[in-house]
Amino acid sequence: KQEVTQIPAALSVPEGENLVLNCSFTDSAIYNLQWFRQDPGKGLTSLLLIQSSQREQTSGRLNASLDKSSGRSTLYIAASQPGDSATYLCAVKQNDYKLSFGAGTTVTVRA
Amino acid sequence: ETGVTQTPRHLVMGMTNKKSLKCEQHLGHNAMYWYKQSAKKPLELMFVYNFKEQTENNSVPSRFSPECPNSSHLFLHLHTLQPEDSALYLCASSHETGSVEQYFGPGTRLTVT
Repeated sequence: KQEVTQIPAALSVPEGENLVLNCSFTDSAIYNLQWFRQDPGKGLTSLLLIQSSQREQTSGRLNASLDKSSGRSTLYIAASQPGDSATYLCAVKQNDYKLSFGAGTTVTVRA
Repeated sequence: ETGVTQTPRHLVMGMTNKKSLKCEQHLGHNAMYWYKQSAKKPLELMFVYNFKEQTENNSVPSRFSPECPNSSHLFLHLHTLQPEDSALYLCASSHETGSVEQYFGPGTRLTVT
């Protein structure tokens, strides 16, 4: 059974600092890995999706890397802003339709 | 706005009540999902429907009863719930169950008293 772990569980940084969020998974036979953002009490917004054949994806200030062989992904958020405060979820998809989620990292960016 | 809507957004119910959650997708997708998100825990997949047929029941208690009358609508009927069932219930859809991405609704925050 795939296990997805996100460290740290919570993170507080001053505005302008770069954020580094970690995700690890136990079964490297994945189809893709996705990073989501969730605001309090809200649904999930997809940020970046990395296919198993890719090493990284970038969107604006966000960059996600994938090292499938070691079972790790990292989400980098450059020059953090208070609006980046949210919970970030990592999910891996294996060769079926099921997504396995981590418990998330809750980020607070202090103005 | 992901094209997936859920109603109600908030629901408080007693343990003896019967209520239903509704999900509707406007994306022309054929697969729909129910997830449960409890505090500080990973999302748990509950049910999957593909072309209106249930393809997954992830050992969910019978007090949760899903219904998928067509590919655009998904319901979760609730009866005799327990306080530990309080959670955020998220609906998602995808083109088919093997599709790359799932699109999530905003969720229904359920509190069982």
